[in-house]
Amino acid sequence: DTGVSQDPRHKITKRGQNVTFRCDPISEHNRLYWYRQTLGQGPEFLTYFQNEAQLEKSRLLSDRFSAERPKGSFSTLEIQRTEQGDSAMYLCASSLWRVKGLDTQYFGPGTRLTVL
Amino acid sequence: AQKVTQAQTEISVVEKEDVTLDCVYETRDTTYYLFWYKQPPSGELVFLIRRNSFDEQNEISGRYSWNFQKSTSSFNFTITASQVVDSAVYFCALNSGAGSYQLTFGKGTKLSVIP
Repeated sequence: DTGVSQDPRHKITKRGQNVTFRCDPISEHNRLYWYRQTLGQGPEFLTYFQNEAQLEKSRLLSDRFSAERPKGSFSTLEIQRTEQGDSAMYLCASSLWRVKGLDTQYFGPGTRLTVL
Repeated sequence: AQKVTQAQTEISVVEKEDVTLDCVYETRDTTYYLFWYKQPPSGELVFLIRRNSFDEQNEISGRYSWNFQKSTSSFNFTITASQVVDSAVYFCALNSGAGSYQLTFGKGTKLSVIP
C-alpha cells in the first residue's frame, strides 16, 4: 500500500495570490482530513470528508478556504487571496471508517506554504 | 471542550537512556480515543498507537510502552534504551468519538537523543 501523498511539498506565493493543494489518500480509505500546523504547534483540524461529502468544518476554515473531494478519491484545498498568516504546513490524513469510533488517521508528508 | 497538554516542550537524553513523555488530556465524553504520533524532521506524522477509553491495559511494543491512567487523565509514553533515530517531535492526540472525528493535538514534545 502506498501512503497518503500530497502535492506540492512546498509552495511559495505572494500575498493576495490563490493557491491549491492536492491530497491523494490511501487507496480505499473513505475518510479524508485536512489539518494546519504552524511552527511549534500541534496540527489543528480544518475539515473532513466521508467519500464526497464534507461533514465537518472548523471555524478556522474562513471563507477564503475551500476544500473539495469531487469523486471521493483525491481532495483539493484552495486558499484564495492568501495572507501572511496562512503560512503553515497543511497536512492531509486519511482513514478507513467501518465501525463508529475506530478511526485511525494516517498522515501525508504535508505541503509547506510560505506567503511573502 | 477537549484539550491535550504536553507540558514538556523539549527533552534531551543521552543514547541508551530511558525517557518518558507526558500527556494529560481533558474531555467530558465517556468514550474517547487517545493516540501518539511521531513527527521526524522530514515532517510526516507517523502513527504509533491508539487506545480507547475502556481499555486501561498498558501496552508494550518493542522499546516503546504506554501507560494509560484514567484516574489522572494521563497517557504517558516511555522509550526504553533510546536511540538517535528516536529524535523527533512526539504528539499526543485525543478523539472524543462522540460524532466529531477530528483529532485534538497537544503542542508536542521535541525529543533529542544525543549519541
